[in-house]
Amino acid sequence: NAGVTQTPKFQVLKTGQSMTLQCAQDMNHNSMYWYRQDPGMGLRLIYYSASEGTTDKGEVPNGYNVSRLNKREFSLRLESAAPSQTSVYFCASARGGDYGYTFGSGTRLTVV
Amino acid sequence: GQSLEQPSEVTAVEGAIVQINCTYQTSGFYGLSWYQQHDGGAPTFLSYNALDGLEETGRFSSFLSRSDSYGYLLLQELQMKDSASYFCAVRASTGGGNKLTFGTGTQLKVEL
Repeated sequence: NAGVTQTPKFQVLKTGQSMTLQCAQDMNHNSMYWYRQDPGMGLRLIYYSASEGTTDKGEVPNGYNVSRLNKREFSLRLESAAPSQTSVYFCASARGGDYGYTFGSGTRLTVV
Repeated sequence: GQSLEQPSEVTAVEGAIVQINCTYQTSGFYGLSWYQQHDGGAPTFLSYNALDGLEETGRFSSFLSRSDSYGYLLLQELQMKDSASYFCAVRASTGGGNKLTFGTGTQLKVEL
């Protein structure tokens, strides 16, 4: 009963390096989301995928790309990391409608 | 776009009742959700209100007034383990994808 699994849990990058954050859910949810959380700013939506095969920008998409690989997996890529991308990244999935999100445990990313 | 306001911090004693308020502005509105997040953890879904009134789930209740663009989370018989951050989030009818916009969170401290 894994729910939403994110990897890695921690990562340190140098400015300009690239990396991909992985997310997988086993609940057969249609929708998946990537949020970032910074102190005092709550959770801000980066990208989302309403269903397999579709992706859309959220509130803060600059510097990121996403891929909905299949119904289970939704990855977030940083092509050229910047210190402003130091944050905690959460992946979430939802069945839709009135049902709540299920979040992964997060990836703590530091860009130096 | 959407914006939400909630108090940054609330302190209460064990066994007491506490109310966390949330006001929102949004173009199109489906419902208001509440999430709990312990330090270092992931947000977890507490409740969702689409219609006016009070929804009760154990010690937690959530209220919505659509005409006032206002809701609150009521926590009764407070326990130390309730010390956490609480986020309200709006599900808007524009843009699709069941996206949520989160408030900046209320840190609840429960004292003996």
